[in-house]
Amino acid sequence: AQSVTQPDIHITVSEGASLELRCNYSYGATPYLFWYVQSPGQGLQLLLKYFSGDTLVQGIKGFEAEFKRSQSSFNLRKPSVHWSDAAEYFCIPGSSNTGKLIFGQGTTLQVKP
Amino acid sequence: GAVVSQHPSWVICKSGTSVKIECRSLDFQATTMFWYRQFPKQSLMLMATSNEGSKATYEQGVEKDKFLINHASLTLSTLTVTSAHPEDSSFYICSVSRGRGYEQYFGPGTRLTVT
Repeated sequence: AQSVTQPDIHITVSEGASLELRCNYSYGATPYLFWYVQSPGQGLQLLLKYFSGDTLVQGIKGFEAEFKRSQSSFNLRKPSVHWSDAAEYFCIPGSSNTGKLIFGQGTTLQVKP
Repeated sequence: GAVVSQHPSWVICKSGTSVKIECRSLDFQATTMFWYRQFPKQSLMLMATSNEGSKATYEQGVEKDKFLINHASLTLSTLTVTSAHPEDSSFYICSVSRGRGYEQYFGPGTRLTVT
């Protein structure tokens, strides 16, 4: 079964600094991978997705992620973080068989002024 | 993205009563809907998968007689918490999908408090 690991439980960055959230996956075949964000008091929002094709994926709110098979990673990046980016971020593998999303612990992003 | 609504957004009920939560897909016909619960400062836990016109598939450890799911149409699914107890207090979130291999779009959640 496919699984992902987000090694960083909590990250703090300064506003305007660049951001990279790590996601490592374990799966034999090419996985479906998603990044979702859950902001305080708001619902979960899809940032971007990778199914196949171009390994650099552009998402909403200025986020991007790169699928690197050699490193088994799908890290989320943003060149300049805004205070409103403070939230919980989830890297999630999708299942082509069931359509389920199994959430892990996520990474909490704190943005300091 | 897609717009998903949940109703109510919050509800308080007395122990022993039942509560129904609605999830509506406003933008497209959702082949599949999912129900999650989330405890404070914890991640989401999948409760069940619901396909229109079929019985829901529950995750291990989730009582199907306690959490009744009905997916009557391609735009509406309901979760009924029967004989609610304080330990059922949680944040319940639904999501919708066009099917396997597609992304999910989430509702804003329903806060249930059982007194």
